[in-house]
Amino acid sequence: GNSVTQMEGPVTLSEEAFLTINCTYTATGYPSLFWYVQYPGEGLQLLLKATKADDKGSNKGFEATYRKETTSFHLEKGSVQVSDSAVYFCALTQNTGFQKLVFGTGTRLLVSP
Amino acid sequence: EAQVTQNPRYLITVTGKKLTVTCSQNMNHEYMSWYRQDPGLGLRQIYYSMNVEVTDKGDVPEGYKVSRKEKRNFPLILESPSPNQTSLYFCASSFRADNYNEQFFGPGTRLTVL
Repeated sequence: GNSVTQMEGPVTLSEEAFLTINCTYTATGYPSLFWYVQYPGEGLQLLLKATKADDKGSNKGFEATYRKETTSFHLEKGSVQVSDSAVYFCALTQNTGFQKLVFGTGTRLLVSP
Repeated sequence: EAQVTQNPRYLITVTGKKLTVTCSQNMNHEYMSWYRQDPGLGLRQIYYSMNVEVTDKGDVPEGYKVSRKEKRNFPLILESPSPNQTSLYFCASSFRADNYNEQFFGPGTRLTVL
């Protein structure tokens, strides 16, 4: 079946540090890949997505590249801010016309001043 | 403002006492879904609905019911709650069910069953 594996957290960084959160997936066919972010006390929001191999999704300074050869979709940001503290979820859907999101377990990011 | 709303946001109840968590969206979305979020497990889909009067089971449907009588509403019903249903619940919606449409999530309902 389809699955998503994320690195365990929490990830603790100082402001302006470089961020990488690893995400790998197992899926048949060609899934679409997503990063969702959950700020404290809120629901999930779509951060970025990529729908085919070698696509790069980007938003708010975050980037992730769809790597089919390594089945990965790692999230990166060059300089994190305190306001980036949140839980980040990697997710996939199959490209079969029906959207069922399969989520990873989430990675908590804590950024200190 | 385009949004998904859930009520209540917090609920403490006792085993066996029927409850309903409401979900409403104002974006005329066809697809709606319920998830539960548990530590170490991420989000798991409970039920989903492709459109009015069309619902189906997700990955963890046991102990839950849903209905979709109107396009905007998708209530989650726990007929006889048990402690293992203590969790954080999210409702989500998207324009259609295909995977190119962003899912919009509600703010969550934290349920405790004693």
